[in-house]
Amino acid sequence: KQEVTQIPAALSVPEGENLVLNCSFTDSAIYNLQWFRQDPGKGLTSLLLIQSSQREQTSGRLNASLDKSSGRSTLYIAASQPGDSATYLCAVRRPSMNTGFQKLVFGTGTRLLVSP
Amino acid sequence: EPEVTQTPSHQVTQMGQEVILRCVPISNHLYFYWYRQILGQKVEFLVSFYNNEISEKSEIFDDQFSVERPDGSNFTLKIRSTKLEDSAMYFCASLAGGVVGELFFGEGSRLTVL
Repeated sequence: KQEVTQIPAALSVPEGENLVLNCSFTDSAIYNLQWFRQDPGKGLTSLLLIQSSQREQTSGRLNASLDKSSGRSTLYIAASQPGDSATYLCAVRRPSMNTGFQKLVFGTGTRLLVSP
Repeated sequence: EPEVTQTPSHQVTQMGQEVILRCVPISNHLYFYWYRQILGQKVEFLVSFYNNEISEKSEIFDDQFSVERPDGSNFTLKIRSTKLEDSAMYFCASLAGGVVGELFFGEGSRLTVL
């Protein structure tokens, strides 16, 4: 059974710092990995999608890497801003065991607070 | 930019009542999903839907739950007789297709069962 874990559970940094969020997964048979942002009480905003054949993806100040063989992904946020404060979720997409159909398995999330 | 829309954004109901949550997926997408998130917990898969039938459902998705696509645009989740533990945020998602596609999520419907 696929398990996805995110460390740390919470992170507090001053504005301007570069930071790294970690995601690990137990089964390397994944199609891709998505990073999401979730503001309190709100929906899931997709940030980056990395295919299993890729090593990294970049969007603005965000860079996500993927090491499928070791079951790890990192989300790097450069020059953090107070507006980055949110919970960040990673999710892996893999075939479902019974039907082969795909679904996302989510991690526990990292709650980030960037203080001015 | 196309988006997944969900209604209502928040619904309060009494235990035992029926609830229908509605979703309008992105128009050319073929795969539809419901996920839920109990406050403070992980986002969990409920059910996937393709070609007008359920593709897979989790153990959470028992006989009290049903999904349907009554027309070409809406995708609904019905809870027949709500329980206190059904209180959660319910997210609808859609996918164009293929193994490389990106899932797009709606803003969620918060369900509070009293």
